[in-house]
Amino acid sequence: QVQLQESGPGLAKPSGTLSLTCAVSGGSISSSNWWSWVRQPPGKGLEWIGEIYQSGITNYNPSLKSRVTISVDKSNNQFSLKLSSVTAADTAVYYCARSLVRGGYFDHWGQGTLVTVSS
Amino acid sequence: EIVLTQSPGTLSLSPGERGTLSCRASQSVTSSYLAWYQQKPGQAPRLLIYGASSRATGIPDRFSGSGSGTDFTLTISRLEPEDFAVYYCQQYGSSPPLFTFGPGTKVDIK
Repeated sequence: QVQLQESGPGLAKPSGTLSLTCAVSGGSISSSNWWSWVRQPPGKGLEWIGEIYQSGITNYNPSLKSRVTISVDKSNNQFSLKLSSVTAADTAVYYCARSLVRGGYFDHWGQGTLVTVSS
Repeated sequence: EIVLTQSPGTLSLSPGERGTLSCRASQSVTSSYLAWYQQKPGQAPRLLIYGASSRATGIPDRFSGSGSGTDFTLTISRLEPEDFAVYYCQQYGSSPPLFTFGPGTKVDIK
């Protein structure tokens, strides 16, 4: 059973960079899946941030594209998110999730990690 | 960008009742790429339905999905106490953003 686990600082400074990692266990990140980041501001809905394939191919949400970098580390079976120039509006629970190639849905999710943007 | 609208915003029902949740898209969605999730407080979303009508592994058969084009429905045939939660629809498209979610429907106890 694939499991995903987010990790990273729970606090980021305004104008700084938010950095998170998602460790994948119970399966290989090199399998035929896409690996995504999804966020949820407190009390609000879900927003897809972007995804990466094992080869390094990425797709981003245009609303965040200028500030987002997603990368993959196959040797450690994990992938990462960097979001730059953060503001209070980026305060959210950040989830990593898996989608199957040609699946179009997220079948496995991490538990989520809250990142607060504050000085 | 395809925008998803869910109705009602809140659905107040009693255990044992039937719940019908609606998801409407601003443009036609390929049925293969419409999914539903359940989210409880403090938890990650859980996949219920994919491909508009296929139940995910381990999902009870009281959950069913239907619809096509721009109108999709999640039906909970008989609400159990553990079904009171927020439900999101989600679509996958060919142009960015690839994945979009509806705003959610909260099912609470009447």
